[in-house]
Amino acid sequence: RKEVEQDPGPFNVPEGATVAFNCTYSNSASQSFFWYRQDCRKEPKLLMSVYSSGNEDGRFTAQLNRASQYISLLIRDSKLSDSATYLCVVNLNSGYSTLTFGKGTMLLVSP
Amino acid sequence: EAGVTQFPSHSVIEKGQTVTLRCDPISGHDNLYWYRRVMGKEIKFLLHFVKESKQDESGMPNNRFLAERTGGTYSTLKVQPAELEDSGVYFCASSQDQTDSYNEQFFGPGTRLTVL
Repeated sequence: RKEVEQDPGPFNVPEGATVAFNCTYSNSASQSFFWYRQDCRKEPKLLMSVYSSGNEDGRFTAQLNRASQYISLLIRDSKLSDSATYLCVVNLNSGYSTLTFGKGTMLLVSP
Repeated sequence: EAGVTQFPSHSVIEKGQTVTLRCDPISGHDNLYWYRRVMGKEIKFLLHFVKESKQDESGMPNNRFLAERTGGTYSTLKVQPAELEDSGVYFCASSQDQTDSYNEQFFGPGTRLTVL
């Protein structure tokens, strides 16, 4: 079983749509959780951290369910510029970070 | 402020040759990480430096890979001799505070290595 699993997509949505990505992780001792965004042939960039209480940043909402070992990302009012690969990332350690990545979910937003 | 930089951006070598990748972290970041993405796979952790010391090298695939960070500034990752399966994108990342597991890691643009 992979440590972090994501649906690879692609998710094809029109501008303005709402889209949700899910991710599961296998290690119940995981400490911290993130969504990174990666554009084609670019480096991953932190989109948002995911906290137990859930958190929102503009059009983006992230949720964490520790009991189910499940993380989600909701994007509202999709923009063309949201087209990218979204990486679910987990940190297994407390005290220092060695990130474990999912393979990513590709999002394509069309006009 | 300059971000994480990596050199070269691309490298094409033949099997059996040696390649050295370089990473310059963000100034003042004590933590430096190497990751690798092999085609079709997820990004995987290789190792973590705190200043010049190796904190965790559990992800290094084998002894053909040697990472150094002399003086605690830039780091090099040498592959010797390179094999076909070493092809991929090698990312470097740095972060400031290792005591917070939510501390952001900033990634460099990566070095795309192709072994023929």
